[in-house]
Amino acid sequence: NAGVMQNPRHLVRRRGQEARLRCSPMKGHSHVYWYRQLPEEGLKFMVYLQKENIIDESGMPKERFSAEFPKEGPSILRIQQVVRGDSAAYFCASSPEFGRAGNQPQHFGDGTRLSIL
Amino acid sequence: GEDVEQSLFLSVREGDSSVINCTYTDSSSTYLYWYKQEPGAGLQLLTYIFSNMDMKQDQRLTVLLNKKDKHLSLRIADTQTGDSAIYFCAEEAGGSYIPTFGRGTSLIVHP
Repeated sequence: NAGVMQNPRHLVRRRGQEARLRCSPMKGHSHVYWYRQLPEEGLKFMVYLQKENIIDESGMPKERFSAEFPKEGPSILRIQQVVRGDSAAYFCASSPEFGRAGNQPQHFGDGTRLSIL
Repeated sequence: GEDVEQSLFLSVREGDSSVINCTYTDSSSTYLYWYKQEPGAGLQLLTYIFSNMDMKQDQRLTVLLNKKDKHLSLRIADTQTGDSAIYFCAEEAGGSYIPTFGRGTSLIVHP
């Protein structure tokens, strides 16, 4: 499967725990984007990364949230000390190395559904 | 700021045409997208249109863009039950690389 792979598909955490969401981009893609989807809402941009670089994190909450995309391995979205309001679907998308996202549309994974007890 | 609006629900009969509408506010939009999301899945890119076009057709899908009114529509001909999903409109402003999404339109196709 050459698509964007996210895991786990479902993640349950208790308040105060940490959540780690993983995303492997499509083969040949080196740009990764994370979005959050609240119930009955559209996708809200969180962060845009390239290998070892955070390009735009303007959509990330100032506290508890962090993201990385190391030279080797998947991109990780990390949420520390989770709260009920973090319950959402988190989607990762990727796009090719060259070109803007506009003429190189983003391809999405199936998401991680995070539930906070 | 950027804002994308869509109606939340659309119900059609199988075999009819569906028209999903979207309005946006950013006049510098360069690309406009339609994505489909099936239950439990991610967003699948259906089609996109560049802002210098006013129409794009791809099999059963027709996209119409009225740039003056900042109105985008997606027409699905001969709608099938497999077309039931949430359809997201998204626009990408000039100079940006991050699309802004609407809240999605739930398309319900009934026999």
